[in-house]
Amino acid sequence: GDSVTQMEGPVTLSEEAFLTINCTYTATGYPSLFWYVQYPGEGLQLLLKATKADDKGSNKGFEATYRKETTSFHLEKGSVQVSDSAVYFCALSDLLIQGAQKLVFGQGTRLTINP
Amino acid sequence: NAGVMQNPRHLVRRRGQEARLRCSPMKGHSHVYWYRQLPEEGLKFMVYLQKENIIDESGMPKERFSAEFPKEGPSILRIQQVVRGDSAAYFCASSPASGLAADTQYFGPGTRLTVL
Repeated sequence: GDSVTQMEGPVTLSEEAFLTINCTYTATGYPSLFWYVQYPGEGLQLLLKATKADDKGSNKGFEATYRKETTSFHLEKGSVQVSDSAVYFCALSDLLIQGAQKLVFGQGTRLTINP
Repeated sequence: NAGVMQNPRHLVRRRGQEARLRCSPMKGHSHVYWYRQLPEEGLKFMVYLQKENIIDESGMPKERFSAEFPKEGPSILRIQQVVRGDSAAYFCASSPASGLAADTQYFGPGTRLTVL
């Protein structure tokens, strides 16, 4: 079945550092790809998404490009802030019946930014 | 427009008791999904429902777990005779039936179940 593999954490960086969190996937079809962020004690919030190859999703300074040739969707940010500390999940959409889609998640990467 | 609502936020049960988790989707959303997050793991799909119908329950344990989404009222995830291994965060998500956002799921804050 479809699966998502994320870079293992935890990741600790200093403020204003460059961030990359790697994500690769295996899928039989052409899924949409997502990054979700989870702050402590909260639910998941959609950070960005891309629906087809070469699409770039971006939000709040974060970017990720859908790379079909390398089956990757790496998350990047040029200058991280303390407030970016959270757990980041990469996910793909897997087709269910009746047109709906379930999300298949990676294991999550815990990011800590030190001042 | 209120987001996805879940209650309770925290639920404590003793082994053998029943747990009922509720989810109200976003206004205008007719698709509801339940996911389970075990400690330090990613979310795992459990079940997908539309109003009055279970569409896909391939991720739900065959015993003790059930879900419904009645015509009126919230979706309910029910766990009978809970065991310690059921301790987890349970998240509900919703999406619209069609349109550009149909592939995007919006998550509630989750219910954290602790089984003593």
